Amino acid sequence: AQSVTQLDSHVSVSEGTPVLLRCNYSSSYSPSLFWYVQHPNKGLQLLLKYTSAATLVKGINGFEAEFKKSETSFHLTKPSAHMSDAAEYFCVVATDRDDKIIFGKGTRLHILP
Amino acid sequence: AAGVIQSPRHLIKEKRETATLKCYPIPRHDTVYWYQQGPGQDPQFLISFYEKMQSDKGSIPDRFSAQQFSDYHSELNMSSLELGDSALYFCASSLGRDSRFYGYTFGSGTRLTVV
Repeated sequence: AQSVTQLDSHVSVSEGTPVLLRCNYSSSYSPSLFWYVQHPNKGLQLLLKYTSAATLVKGINGFEAEFKKSETSFHLTKPSAHMSDAAEYFCVVATDRDDKIIFGKGTRLHILP
Repeated sequence: AAGVIQSPRHLIKEKRETATLKCYPIPRHDTVYWYQQGPGQDPQFLISFYEKMQSDKGSIPDRFSAQQFSDYHSELNMSSLELGDSALYFCASSLGRDSRFYGYTFGSGTRLTVV
């Protein structure tokens, strides 16, 4: 069975400094992994996805994530945080049958001025 | 570009009433997923449909039912509403059984408040 663990419930960084949001997954098969962002009172927006192509995935708004099979990780990074990045971020894994996707508990990113 | 449309955006109901939430997927998308997100919680999978047939079921209460219609829109019917049903309900759509490759597009959600 698939599962996803976001290691930090809250992350605070200063504006202009790097962002690292950690995600580990568990999957019996080659997984499909996604990062979604949710701004307050807003819907879920896809940042990027990994689907067994390139292990380094570039997404929107300067975010990228690297799939590391040996570490079962899919951490989200951004070189320089912006105030508008403050939001909830969800790491998501798709099940083998494609019938549902499973969310991590979310990481709330705080940007300090 | 067309997105996933959910209606209504907000809904206030009293306990024991019924509610119907609607989801209109992206054109040509044949798969719909419903999620419930409580305050400060991650989205929980409720149910999904592929080609108008239920494809998977999650933590959906027996008081809830859903279906996908011939035009691929879906409706989530909720009866005997309880205070704990207050949440943001998301619908997502995807294309075919290769959803993982195309990704999942979410609607903006319906915020249900039960008073």
